[in-house]
Amino acid sequence: IAGITQAPTSQILAAGRRMTLRCTQDMRHNAMYWYRQDLGLGLRLIHYSNTAGTTGKGEVPDGYSVSRANTDDFPLTLASAVPSQTSVYFCASRPKGAGEGNEQFFGPGTRLTVL
Amino acid sequence: KNQVEQSPQSLIILEGKNCTLQCNYTVSPFSNLRWYKQDTGRGPVSLTIMTFSENTKSNGRYTATLDADTKQSSLHITASQLSDSASYICVVSALGYGQNFVFGPGTRLSVLP
Repeated sequence: IAGITQAPTSQILAAGRRMTLRCTQDMRHNAMYWYRQDLGLGLRLIHYSNTAGTTGKGEVPDGYSVSRANTDDFPLTLASAVPSQTSVYFCASRPKGAGEGNEQFFGPGTRLTVL
Repeated sequence: KNQVEQSPQSLIILEGKNCTLQCNYTVSPFSNLRWYKQDTGRGPVSLTIMTFSENTKSNGRYTATLDADTKQSSLHITASQLSDSASYICVVSALGYGQNFVFGPGTRLSVLP
C-alpha cells in the first residue's frame, strides 16, 4: 500500500442495514478524518481522530460511529443506514507536527447509495 | 459562523486560455488557506498552501493569491490544459490542531479542446 486506501469503492445498501466503510493508511499519520461530500456542498467532517485511541465528533456525526484501535485503520460504521446518508465518503489523514500547515491526504472515496 | 464561499460555481473555458477562481472566507482565527484539485471520482489533492503573511504562491501553471485583510483568495490557471478539468476546492484552516478545516463547495472547471 502507498498512501491511503478505502473500501469498498462503491456500495448500494438497503435502508436499515449496517455498513462499515474501511480506511487504511501506511504513512504513520497521527490524525485521521472522515468526510462526506454532497453535491453543491463542501466536504463536511463526520468524525476525526487526532491519534490512535481517541476520536471526536465533527460537524455531522449523527448516525455514524468510528473507532481508532491503531494508527493505520479508521473504520466508519453506519449502524442503521438511511437514504440521507447517500453520499461520497472520503477518508483523510494528516501527519502530526508543528503543523497547522500540514496537508491532509485523501483517499479515493467510497460512493454509498442507501435505498 | 466560519464559512468559505467560492465563485463561480462552474466554468467552461477553451484549452490554452487563462482563468481565475475566487474564494471568500469568514474563518477566524485564520491559520492558512489551501487550494485542492479534485479530479472526477478521486480524492482532493493539495495544490498550494498560503499562510497569513503570504500574498502569492505558485505551483507550475497555478498561482494562488491571498488578501488576508479582505479575506479573499484567488487561484489563477495559466495556459489551461484538458487535464485541468476538475473541481477546485478552497479550504481554510482555523488555529488549533485537529479538525479546524472549513471547505468551500468548489468550482467545477471544464477545459474544452
